Amino acid sequence: DIQMTQSPSSLSASVGDRVTITCRASQGIRNDLGWYQQKPGKAPKRLIYAASSLQSGVPSRFSGSGSGTEFTLTISSLQPEDFATYYCLQHNSTPRTFGQGTKVEIK
Amino acid sequence: EVQLVESGGGLVQPGGSLRLSCAASGFTFSSYWMSWVRQAPGKGLEWVANIKQDGSEKYYVDSVKGRFTISRDNAKNSLYLQMNSLRAEDTAVYYCARDLGAGSGSFPFDYWGQGTLVTVSS
Repeated sequence: DIQMTQSPSSLSASVGDRVTITCRASQGIRNDLGWYQQKPGKAPKRLIYAASSLQSGVPSRFSGSGSGTEFTLTISSLQPEDFATYYCLQHNSTPRTFGQGTKVEIK
Repeated sequence: EVQLVESGGGLVQPGGSLRLSCAASGFTFSSYWMSWVRQAPGKGLEWVANIKQDGSEKYYVDSVKGRFTISRDNAKNSLYLQMNSLRAEDTAVYYCARDLGAGSGSFPFDYWGQGTLVTVSS
């Protein structure tokens, strides 16, 4: 099984800050990775697909990069509505596996 | 508009059974793998199972193998999860999600349902 190691598990940031979240795969997964935002009581919402493609309707302050085993989600300027939990998900193989999540909190 | 609507959750005793359903609309259901994903209270997301377009292949996370069965009815655009021998640790919100589509250029897990809560408790 492919393990996804996501870091940090939580972070505190201020509005306007640049935020970076990392996922590391235990083996190469090409670019078969998505990034998701989840708010309390809601289903996950995809932000990024194919590691670096922005989902339609998602603000351009979100970006993804990486391929193989190292992936990054960047929020260029954190907005109040961005405080949430973020997950990476690999779909290169089954079982699909998620990162442990990163909770982004207000500083 | 793509929609996935889960139903069937509820309170069940340990050792009991429950069948979840997911009604799909707005896309060609029979062209996609489909998955179930769950989230225990206050915890992260965990993929549970998926099923191929024609139902010929099914995969499960180790913790549910032998207890859960995923199935689908393409004529009814519906996905199911039969859960037997339920344990307290199965307590979670269960989401259905659209997995891989046929052909190239498919980027799975683009659409999710709203989730249905399963509580296993005596």
